[in-house]
Amino acid sequence: GNSVTQMEGPVTLSEEAFLTINCTYTATGYPSLFWYVQYPGEGLQLLLKATKADDKGSNKGFEATYRKETTSFHLEKGSVQVSDSAVYFCALLPYNTDKLIFGTGTRLQVFP
Amino acid sequence: DVKVTQSSRYLVKRTGEKVFLECVQDMDHENMFWYRQDPGLGLRLIYFSYDVKMKEKGDIPEGYSVSREKKERFSLILESASTNQTSMYLCASRPGRAPFSGNTIYFGEGSWLTVV
Repeated sequence: GNSVTQMEGPVTLSEEAFLTINCTYTATGYPSLFWYVQYPGEGLQLLLKATKADDKGSNKGFEATYRKETTSFHLEKGSVQVSDSAVYFCALLPYNTDKLIFGTGTRLQVFP
Repeated sequence: DVKVTQSSRYLVKRTGEKVFLECVQDMDHENMFWYRQDPGLGLRLIYFSYDVKMKEKGDIPEGYSVSREKKERFSLILESASTNQTSMYLCASRPGRAPFSGNTIYFGEGSWLTVV
């Protein structure tokens, strides 16, 4: 079946540190991959996406590359800010379906 | 900007009450969704709808029903609320039809429901 596994949190970093949040997936065919972010008290916002192998999604300094050989879509940022503190969700959309499948979320806490 | 509006941010209901959660989107999207979000479980799909008066069960439909009488509005109904339905409920919408590759889902801000 289709599933998403992401690293458990919380991830605690100092400002300007390098961030990696791991995400791996299981899927048949050619899914699309997404990262969503949820700031405190808010709904989810799309952070970035990739729709085919080797695509790189990027937004607000965050990047993730769709790696079919390792079935991964790890989220990275070179220098985090306090304002990046949020919960990050990796998600998978199997091809030709309407059911977005989410990971369990990873809480990021950035301290000054 | 796409806007998905959930009518209630915070609700407290009693066990056995009938609960309505309302969601409206303003971008003429065909597809609408209801998820619940619980710590350690991520988001789980309750129901979704491709079009007016159409609905499909998601992964956890038990104890819930939905209504889509108009394209812009998708309601989640708890027929008889129970304490294990205490959760954050998120509505979402998305344009287009299959194949859905790359189409962005837009979420509302969520409704925190507590059943006592």
